[in-house]
Amino acid sequence: AQSVTQLGSHVSVSEGALVLLRCNYSSSVPPYLFWYVQYPNQGLQLLLKYTSAATLVKGINGFEAEFKKSETSVHLTKPSAHMSDAAEYFCAGRAAGNKLTFGGGTRVLVKP
Amino acid sequence: GAGVSQSPSNKVTEKGKDVELRCDPISGHTALYWYRQSLGQGLEFLIYFQGNSAPDKSGLPSDRFSAERTGGSVSTLTIQRTQQEDSAVYLCASSLAGLADTGELFFGEGSRLTVL
Repeated sequence: AQSVTQLGSHVSVSEGALVLLRCNYSSSVPPYLFWYVQYPNQGLQLLLKYTSAATLVKGINGFEAEFKKSETSVHLTKPSAHMSDAAEYFCAGRAAGNKLTFGGGTRVLVKP
Repeated sequence: GAGVSQSPSNKVTEKGKDVELRCDPISGHTALYWYRQSLGQGLEFLIYFQGNSAPDKSGLPSDRFSAERTGGSVSTLTIQRTQQEDSAVYLCASSLAGLADTGELFFGEGSRLTVL
C-alpha cells in the first residue's frame, strides 16, 4: 500500500537560513509526488509536483525538491527562509487509482 | 467560480445531530475529492468522485458518513448522528480529470466542524 512519511512534525528555522523538509515514500508509489503548502486559515496550495521528467523540480516561492529514487525521498528545500514561509507543508503521492495520499505535515516556524 | 467553494466555513453542532457540508468545485473539473484534516493528523482521504459516480469510497470512516454529487458539480458530504471524534476540518478538492495525468488538486478553504 502507498505511504508517504514526513520526518518531523515541526521545524524551526531562522530567517535567511536553509529550509529542509524531509519526505519519504513507499516504493510502491508511482513517480507522481507533490508538495503542498497551507498558510494559516487557508486551503492547500500546490508548491510543486514531481512527474519523473527531471530529478530536480522548481516550485513557487523559491522552493525546490530533489527526487532520489535510491533513497525513495523527495525532500523540499529553500536556500533562504523568509518570514512569509511560515506555514504547514504536506508531501503527497499518487497511489493506484486516483487517490492522493498525504504525509502528516510539517509545520515551519521562521524566527526573525 | 474562480476556486473551490465550501460551505459552511464553520459549523458547531451537538452530538447526535446530522450535518451537511457542501462543496462547489471549479467549473469544468470532473474529479472531486473529500479529505478530513484533524488536529495533528494530517489529511485523511474520504471519498473520490469522477463525474457523479464514486469509484473510491474507501476512506469513509463509518456508515454514518455519506456523500453525493449531482450534475457533475456540487457535492454534499453528510455526517449522521455526529460524534465528538468527527470534529475536524473537512476539505474538498477538485481536479480537471482525476489524477490520470499529473493534474494537481485545487483545494477549498475547508469546513471546520465542531461537535460538542
